[in-house]
Amino acid sequence: DGGITQSPKYLFRKEGQNVTLSCEQNLNHDAMYWYRQDPGQGLRLIYYSQIVNDFQKGDIAEGYSVSREKKESFPLTVTSAQKNPTAFYLCASTTQGLGETEAFFGQGTRLTVV
Amino acid sequence: GENVEQHPSTLSVQEGDSAVIKCTYSDSASNYFPWYKQELGKGPQLIIDIRSNVGEKKDQRIAVTLNKTAKHFSLHITETQPEDSAVYFCAASLAAGNQFYFGTGTSLTVIP
Repeated sequence: DGGITQSPKYLFRKEGQNVTLSCEQNLNHDAMYWYRQDPGQGLRLIYYSQIVNDFQKGDIAEGYSVSREKKESFPLTVTSAQKNPTAFYLCASTTQGLGETEAFFGQGTRLTVV
Repeated sequence: GENVEQHPSTLSVQEGDSAVIKCTYSDSASNYFPWYKQELGKGPQLIIDIRSNVGEKKDQRIAVTLNKTAKHFSLHITETQPEDSAVYFCAASLAAGNQFYFGTGTSLTVIP
């Protein structure tokens, strides 16, 4: 089945540590996105990538980093510089890096700082 | 940039009643308006969308209306069922844009 796979589903991080969230898609989509979801705030864009080896900052990129070495993979690193990393993280993809097209989402990763 | 506002934040209806969720947007250039349903612990899934050259679209019990002049669009769910209980997000984007702008979500509860 085609889709987006995020792992792990739950992740615990100690303060001061970097952690990497995995996102893999087998939909042959060009564009991939990372969103952060907090209660009552909807989805906020962290980073997006329209093609391999290229990515752009979204609205809340500070404290995060990404890479896009392969079309199907778009990992997100939450660095120690992110002051409030506890949240639900969603990865998405679209056929093109443009609007007017359906976004497919993964099941999410819930990150908790302990 | 685009700003999407969504109301209400929570909505409870009796099974069989209708539910309406409303969104407004700020950028008159936005021309694609999807609605996503998110069940607990899962990622959002597209349930219906509308483009700016259309005023209304229906898919069984779900309909979306768009008023470009007033810059608002609404989701209508008729004959609600318990499985409709979820969080619903509206969004807006430009055809030539590179991201979606999401509303803050509506938590819908259908009471059996």
